[in-house]
Amino acid sequence: SYVVLQPPAVSMAPGETARISCGGDDIGTKSVHWYQQRSGQAPVLVITYDTDRPSGIPERFSGSNSGNTATLTISRVEAGDEADYYCQVWDSESDHRVFGGGTKLTVL
Amino acid sequence: EVQLVQSGAEMKKPGESLKVSCKGSGYIFSNYWIAWVRQMPGKGLEWMGIIYPADSETTYSPSFQGQVTISADKSLNTAYLQWDSLRASDTAMYYCAIQYRRSDAFENWGQGTLVSVSS
Repeated sequence: SYVVLQPPAVSMAPGETARISCGGDDIGTKSVHWYQQRSGQAPVLVITYDTDRPSGIPERFSGSNSGNTATLTISRVEAGDEADYYCQVWDSESDHRVFGGGTKLTVL
Repeated sequence: EVQLVQSGAEMKKPGESLKVSCKGSGYIFSNYWIAWVRQMPGKGLEWMGIIYPADSETTYSPSFQGQVTISADKSLNTAYLQWDSLRASDTAMYYCAIQYRRSDAFENWGQGTLVSVSS
């Protein structure tokens, strides 16, 4: 089954740019979705199909995907961005949906 | 407004059975996939499986195949996640989520159902 890997944690000061990676074999050929999960809440979709922001998601959130790495970028990080972030793909060969292990973003 | 409303928290003993539900509204329930996602305490999201209510086509993660049963009743706009014999390791939050097409994201999520299994 397809595997996607994320760093366990990232720490940034307010105003800095956070980049969270999601690695997988030729992940650039797949569509990657990103979710934000604040403590005690259900996940919320923040980036879909690699780069698209759903309605209501700030422009500070952006995504990219190429080669073996997809990246979620959060510009001008704020305290309210502190959360766990998960990438997710669909593996068409197995028809399985796959989550990365999640990255905890701490805002210092 | 698209909504998924899940059944309430459960406290069970090992060996007991359980069926939790996820009721959809605000969209055509039969036409879109419903996934179940597990989150163990302090851990990440795990995709368990998915069902297409129109014909009950179901796909399971290898990690959950044979451990749970996913079903749906399209007349009630409700999907279910079922255990025949719970273990302490099934203690977790369980979310349902809608997927419009196989490659799409999970755009809408239920509020979660907390299942606690302890003797």
